Amino acid sequence: QQPVQSPQAVILREGEDAVINCSSSKALYSVHWYRQKHGEAPVFLMILLKGGEQKGHEKISASFNEKKQQSSLYLTASQLSYSGTYFCGTEILISNFGNEKLTFGTGTRLTIIP
Amino acid sequence: NAGVTQTPKFQVLKTGQSMTLQCAQDMNHEYMSWYRQDPGMGLRLIHYSVGAGITDQGEVPNGYNVSRSTTEDFPLRLLSAAPSQTSVYFCASSYKWQLYTGELFFGEGSRLTVL
Repeated sequence: QQPVQSPQAVILREGEDAVINCSSSKALYSVHWYRQKHGEAPVFLMILLKGGEQKGHEKISASFNEKKQQSSLYLTASQLSYSGTYFCGTEILISNFGNEKLTFGTGTRLTIIP
Repeated sequence: NAGVTQTPKFQVLKTGQSMTLQCAQDMNHEYMSWYRQDPGMGLRLIHYSVGAGITDQGEVPNGYNVSRSTTEDFPLRLLSAAPSQTSVYFCASSYKWQLYTGELFFGEGSRLTVL
């Protein structure tokens, strides 16, 4: 089952902050975040493992609440280069050895305007 | 390193024709997969492989076949193309099949149109 992402689309002015949410109905082993620009392949941002670890990547960070099966991606002081569609990918918890399937959400389109 | 290479980048087929999308990686990755991307649907897993000789189905496998005879190559075959298979196809690989261990590396995509 695909995770649910919200919002579906958001428009920001340069310098504003954004939060993108990803929610699953199943227990998760990890959550992955990718960004895709129009006409290009998805590009990896970060992985969060069960354990509630928060990670950062420049001005982009994320959290993972394994009890709620939710992850949030935080973009602070957004730049024009942040525009694109953001996808979360979820690895469902089956065993302690990880999973070989990554299920993606339908994406959040982020538009940054000057 | 070339990374993940997909061919062709564009293809137009008629209903009922067959074709193979090629995918090759030169990173000695254990795991390879095929996704299709349709507007509003995100990326959906078609088939995947955790090593040479081992393949399994993803979320939307119907109408597609795969094989993994070598670590490097993972071709996707459409046996009898249908308009519903019009999509952008991405091949992706990862160092280990336990996907929490690392990122997926995506190819540039193959845009397929079935008339």
